[in-house]
Amino acid sequence: EVRLAQSGAEVKKPWESLKISCKTSGYSFTTYWIGWVRQMPGKGLEWMGIIYPGDSDTRYSPSFQGQVTISADKSISTAYLQWSSLQASDTAMYYCARLSVVVFPTNPNLYYFDSWGQGTLVTVSS
Amino acid sequence: QSVLTQPPSASGTPGQRVTISCSGSSSNIGIYAVSWYQQLPGTAPKLLIYSNNQRPSGVPDRFSGSKSATSASLAISGLQSEDEADYYCAAWDDSLNGVVFGGGTKLTVL
Repeated sequence: EVRLAQSGAEVKKPWESLKISCKTSGYSFTTYWIGWVRQMPGKGLEWMGIIYPGDSDTRYSPSFQGQVTISADKSISTAYLQWSSLQASDTAMYYCARLSVVVFPTNPNLYYFDSWGQGTLVTVSS
Repeated sequence: QSVLTQPPSASGTPGQRVTISCSGSSSNIGIYAVSWYQQLPGTAPKLLIYSNNQRPSGVPDRFSGSKSATSASLAISGLQSEDEADYYCAAWDDSLNGVVFGGGTKLTVL
């Protein structure tokens, strides 16, 4: 069974740093992209970025480029999302999700998030 | 402002059929297949439909998806109270080189 287990809720102050985790199991960690998705209070889903743990290839949404860092540790099948300096506007629920990519020789690739973590609530308040 | 456009709300009575639309552009839905996610209150999103119209194991056949040109739709037939949730469409986008989501549709079962 594929499982993505995220770290627990965090309460931080502005300007503090933070690293949250997404520990995976039940599949080959290095052969699937892992994505991070933000959901601000009462709002919709926003794609932040993805990482391919096999070679650490990382892509960011322009909205989050330079604001967060996505990384992965193959030895413990865990992906991370980190901030160097949190702001109140970072208060949100953050989800990790496994991105399935099906490559076709002549048709466009197929992309979908097939498994999700339970979410990590990050609260930033002075 | 989400890249994919969904109606903010939809509603129906038990047993009814409801549809939720998702409008995109030539850089996303016009090229790539659409996936749909169900988010029950207080829970993480769950994959409902992938590749426009495929249901993962365990998803009832009351849920179906379709796509035409740069738009997609999710249909729920035989509406049940437990279908009350937020629904999101998503697709890969060539301009972003990443995933784009719709703004979400809150489905209310009256």
